[in-house]
Amino acid sequence: GAGVSQSPSNKVTEKGKDVELRCDPISGHTALYWYRQSLGQGLEFLIYFQGNSAPDKSGLPSDRFSAERTGGSVSTLTIQRTQQEDSAVYLCASSRFTFSGTSYEQYFGPGTRLTVT
Amino acid sequence: KNEVEQSPQNLTAQEGEFITINCSYSVGISALHWLQQHPGGGIVSLFMLSSGKKKHGRLIATINIQEKHSSLHITASHPRDSAVYICAVMEYGNKLVFGAGTILRVKS
Repeated sequence: GAGVSQSPSNKVTEKGKDVELRCDPISGHTALYWYRQSLGQGLEFLIYFQGNSAPDKSGLPSDRFSAERTGGSVSTLTIQRTQQEDSAVYLCASSRFTFSGTSYEQYFGPGTRLTVT
Repeated sequence: KNEVEQSPQNLTAQEGEFITINCSYSVGISALHWLQQHPGGGIVSLFMLSSGKKKHGRLIATINIQEKHSSLHITASHPRDSAVYICAVMEYGNKLVFGAGTILRVKS
Protein backbone atom coordinates (compact mmCIF):
# COMPACT_ATOMS: atom_id res chain seq x y z
CA GLY A 1 0.00 0.00 0.00
CA ALA A 2 0.96 3.65 -0.19
CA GLY A 3 3.36 4.93 2.42
CA VAL A 4 3.64 8.35 4.01
CA SER A 5 4.08 11.04 1.39
CA GLN A 6 5.38 14.57 1.80
CA SER A 7 5.45 17.58 -0.46
CA PRO A 8 7.35 19.37 -1.71
CA SER A 9 10.46 17.22 -1.63
CA ASN A 10 12.64 20.32 -1.78
CA LYS A 11 11.85 23.93 -0.98
CA VAL A 12 14.13 26.93 -1.30
CA THR A 13 12.80 30.14 0.18
CA GLU A 14 14.05 33.57 1.06
CA LYS A 15 14.51 34.62 4.64
CA GLY A 16 11.33 36.19 5.97
CA LYS A 17 8.93 34.29 3.72
CA ASP A 18 6.31 31.84 4.97
CA VAL A 19 6.39 28.19 3.91
CA GLU A 20 3.91 25.33 4.11
CA LEU A 21 4.96 21.69 4.19
CA ARG A 22 2.45 18.93 3.61
CA CYS A 23 2.20 15.39 4.92
CA ASP A 24 -0.18 12.63 3.79
CA PRO A 25 -0.11 9.81 6.33
CA ILE A 26 -0.86 6.17 5.71
CA SER A 27 -4.59 5.63 5.42
CA GLY A 28 -6.08 4.59 8.73
CA HIS A 29 -3.18 5.85 10.82
CA THR A 30 -4.57 8.18 13.45
CA ALA A 31 -1.24 9.30 14.94
CA LEU A 32 0.90 11.77 13.00
CA TYR A 33 4.27 13.21 13.96
CA TRP A 34 6.51 15.98 12.64
CA TYR A 35 10.27 15.84 13.21
CA ARG A 36 13.19 17.98 12.08
CA GLN A 37 16.71 16.94 11.12
CA SER A 38 19.11 19.86 10.89
CA LEU A 39 22.49 19.55 9.17
CA GLY A 40 24.95 18.05 11.60
CA GLN A 41 22.25 17.61 14.21
CA GLY A 42 20.15 14.68 15.23
CA LEU A 43 16.44 14.28 14.79
CA GLU A 44 14.17 16.29 17.03
CA PHE A 45 10.46 16.03 17.76
CA LEU A 46 8.26 18.96 16.75
CA ILE A 47 4.59 18.10 17.15
CA TYR A 48 2.28 15.08 17.52
CA PHE A 49 -1.37 14.63 16.55
CA GLN A 50 -3.50 11.77 17.84
CA GLY A 51 -7.04 11.48 16.57
CA ASN A 52 -9.20 14.33 17.79
CA SER A 53 -7.10 15.02 20.87
CA ALA A 54 -5.29 18.32 21.34
CA PRO A 55 -1.88 18.08 19.65
CA ASP A 56 1.33 17.85 21.66
CA LYS A 57 3.17 20.98 20.52
CA SER A 58 5.95 20.76 23.08
CA GLY A 59 8.70 20.40 20.46
CA LEU A 60 7.90 23.44 18.35
CA PRO A 61 10.97 25.71 18.57
CA SER A 62 9.15 29.04 18.37
CA ASP A 63 5.74 30.59 17.76
CA ARG A 64 6.68 30.97 14.10
CA PHE A 65 5.99 27.25 13.77
CA SER A 66 2.46 25.87 13.66
CA ALA A 67 0.77 22.77 12.35
CA GLU A 68 -2.72 21.59 11.70
CA ARG A 69 -4.31 18.35 10.71
CA THR A 70 -7.52 18.56 8.74
CA GLY A 71 -10.10 15.81 8.87
CA GLY A 72 -7.80 13.59 10.85
CA SER A 73 -5.67 12.91 7.79
CA VAL A 74 -3.48 15.41 5.90
CA SER A 75 -1.26 17.67 7.99
CA THR A 76 0.39 20.98 7.14
CA LEU A 77 3.40 22.40 8.97
CA THR A 78 3.69 26.16 8.54
CA ILE A 79 6.78 28.19 9.25
CA GLN A 80 6.25 31.94 9.28
CA ARG A 81 8.97 34.52 8.65
CA THR A 82 11.55 31.83 7.93
CA GLN A 83 15.07 32.20 9.29
CA GLN A 84 18.27 30.58 8.07
CA GLU A 85 18.36 28.36 11.15
CA ASP A 86 15.08 26.82 9.97
CA SER A 87 16.97 25.10 7.14
CA ALA A 88 16.61 21.38 7.73
CA VAL A 89 14.89 18.24 6.54
CA TYR A 90 11.36 18.10 7.91
CA LEU A 91 10.08 14.56 8.36
CA CYS A 92 6.57 13.33 8.91
CA ALA A 93 5.67 9.94 10.35
CA SER A 94 2.42 8.16 11.07
CA SER A 95 1.36 5.21 13.14
CA ARG A 96 -1.68 3.31 14.28
CA PHE A 97 -3.67 4.56 17.22
CA THR A 98 -1.60 4.99 20.34
CA PHE A 99 -2.65 5.39 23.92
CA SER A 100 -0.71 5.60 27.12
CA GLY A 101 1.45 2.54 27.61
CA THR A 102 1.08 1.18 24.07
CA SER A 103 3.33 2.08 21.19
CA TYR A 104 3.15 1.22 17.53
CA GLU A 105 5.74 1.35 14.78
CA GLN A 106 6.14 4.71 13.08
CA TYR A 107 6.38 4.93 9.31
CA PHE A 108 8.39 7.85 8.00
CA GLY A 109 7.87 9.92 4.89
CA PRO A 110 10.76 10.89 2.59
CA GLY A 111 11.02 14.35 4.09
CA THR A 112 11.01 17.90 2.78
CA ARG A 113 14.42 19.56 2.50
CA LEU A 114 13.96 23.24 3.35
CA THR A 115 16.67 25.74 2.50
CA VAL A 116 16.32 29.32 3.67
CA THR A 117 18.58 31.73 1.81
CA LYS B 1 23.66 14.71 29.24
CA ASN B 2 21.55 13.46 26.33
CA GLU B 3 18.64 11.25 27.23
CA VAL B 4 19.71 8.75 24.54
CA GLU B 5 23.36 7.89 24.04
CA GLN B 6 24.62 5.75 21.18
CA SER B 7 28.00 4.17 20.66
CA PRO B 8 30.07 4.10 18.63
CA GLN B 9 29.50 7.33 16.69
CA ASN B 10 31.32 5.91 13.68
CA LEU B 11 32.02 2.32 12.77
CA THR B 12 33.93 0.83 9.85
CA ALA B 13 33.78 -2.90 9.31
CA GLN B 14 34.90 -5.43 6.76
CA GLU B 15 32.28 -7.34 4.85
CA GLY B 16 31.23 -10.40 6.79
CA GLU B 17 32.00 -9.01 10.23
CA PHE B 18 29.57 -9.13 13.16
CA ILE B 19 28.54 -5.60 14.15
CA THR B 20 27.12 -4.29 17.40
CA ILE B 21 25.72 -0.82 18.01
CA ASN B 22 24.77 0.15 21.54
CA CYS B 23 22.12 2.48 22.94
CA SER B 24 21.65 3.64 26.52
CA TYR B 25 18.85 5.81 27.77
CA SER B 26 18.06 7.56 31.01
CA VAL B 27 14.29 8.00 31.00
CA GLY B 28 11.31 5.74 31.43
CA ILE B 29 10.08 4.51 28.10
CA SER B 30 7.21 2.60 26.57
CA ALA B 31 9.24 1.32 23.62
CA LEU B 32 12.57 1.64 21.82
CA HIS B 33 13.01 1.95 18.08
CA TRP B 34 15.95 1.20 15.86
CA LEU B 35 15.88 3.19 12.62
CA GLN B 36 18.01 3.08 9.48
CA GLN B 37 18.79 6.06 7.26
CA HIS B 38 20.69 5.67 4.00
CA PRO B 39 22.58 8.69 2.59
CA GLY B 40 20.08 10.96 0.90
CA GLY B 41 17.35 8.50 1.73
CA GLY B 42 14.43 8.30 4.02
CA ILE B 43 14.17 6.68 7.41
CA VAL B 44 13.11 3.08 7.76
CA SER B 45 12.00 1.53 11.00
CA LEU B 46 13.94 -1.67 11.66
CA PHE B 47 12.59 -2.68 15.04
CA MET B 48 10.30 -1.51 17.77
CA LEU B 49 10.72 -3.38 21.04
CA SER B 50 9.79 -3.02 24.66
CA SER B 51 11.32 -6.22 26.02
CA GLY B 52 13.51 -9.14 25.07
CA LYS B 53 14.82 -9.71 21.59
CA LYS B 54 13.67 -9.45 17.99
CA LYS B 55 15.24 -10.85 14.84
CA HIS B 56 14.70 -9.93 11.21
CA GLY B 57 16.98 -11.54 8.69
CA ARG B 58 20.55 -10.67 9.62
CA LEU B 59 19.47 -8.04 12.12
CA ILE B 60 18.92 -8.69 15.83
CA ALA B 61 17.80 -6.17 18.43
CA THR B 62 17.82 -6.71 22.18
CA ILE B 63 16.70 -4.59 25.08
CA ASN B 64 17.31 -4.77 28.82
CA ILE B 65 14.70 -2.61 30.51
CA GLN B 66 16.29 -2.82 33.97
CA GLU B 67 19.66 -1.65 32.65
CA LYS B 68 18.09 0.83 30.17
CA HIS B 69 20.21 -0.52 27.36
CA SER B 70 19.61 -1.86 23.87
CA SER B 71 21.86 -3.32 21.22
CA LEU B 72 21.50 -3.72 17.48
CA HIS B 73 23.50 -6.55 15.93
CA ILE B 74 24.19 -7.16 12.26
CA THR B 75 25.46 -10.60 11.35
CA ALA B 76 27.47 -11.27 8.17
CA SER B 77 27.62 -7.55 7.38
CA HIS B 78 27.45 -6.40 3.76
CA PRO B 79 28.32 -3.09 2.06
CA ARG B 80 24.60 -2.46 1.54
CA ASP B 81 24.26 -2.27 5.33
CA SER B 82 26.23 1.00 5.20
CA ALA B 83 23.90 3.62 6.65
CA VAL B 84 23.19 5.66 9.75
CA TYR B 85 21.54 3.65 12.51
CA ILE B 86 19.48 5.63 14.98
CA CYS B 87 18.17 4.58 18.35
CA ALA B 88 15.01 6.35 19.48
CA VAL B 89 13.03 5.92 22.65
CA MET B 90 9.35 6.56 23.02
CA GLU B 91 8.66 8.29 26.30
CA TYR B 92 5.23 7.94 27.82
CA GLY B 93 3.23 10.45 25.80
CA ASN B 94 4.34 9.02 22.46
CA LYS B 95 7.15 11.46 21.74
CA LEU B 96 10.29 9.95 20.20
CA VAL B 97 13.65 11.09 21.57
CA PHE B 98 16.51 10.26 19.25
CA GLY B 99 20.11 9.31 19.70
CA ALA B 100 22.74 11.04 17.58
CA GLY B 101 23.09 8.03 15.30
CA THR B 102 25.89 5.64 14.41
CA ILE B 103 27.45 5.99 10.98
CA LEU B 104 28.26 2.50 9.71
CA ARG B 105 30.46 1.81 6.73
CA VAL B 106 30.97 -1.76 5.58
CA LYS B 107 33.87 -2.23 3.19
CA SER B 108 34.02 -5.03 0.64
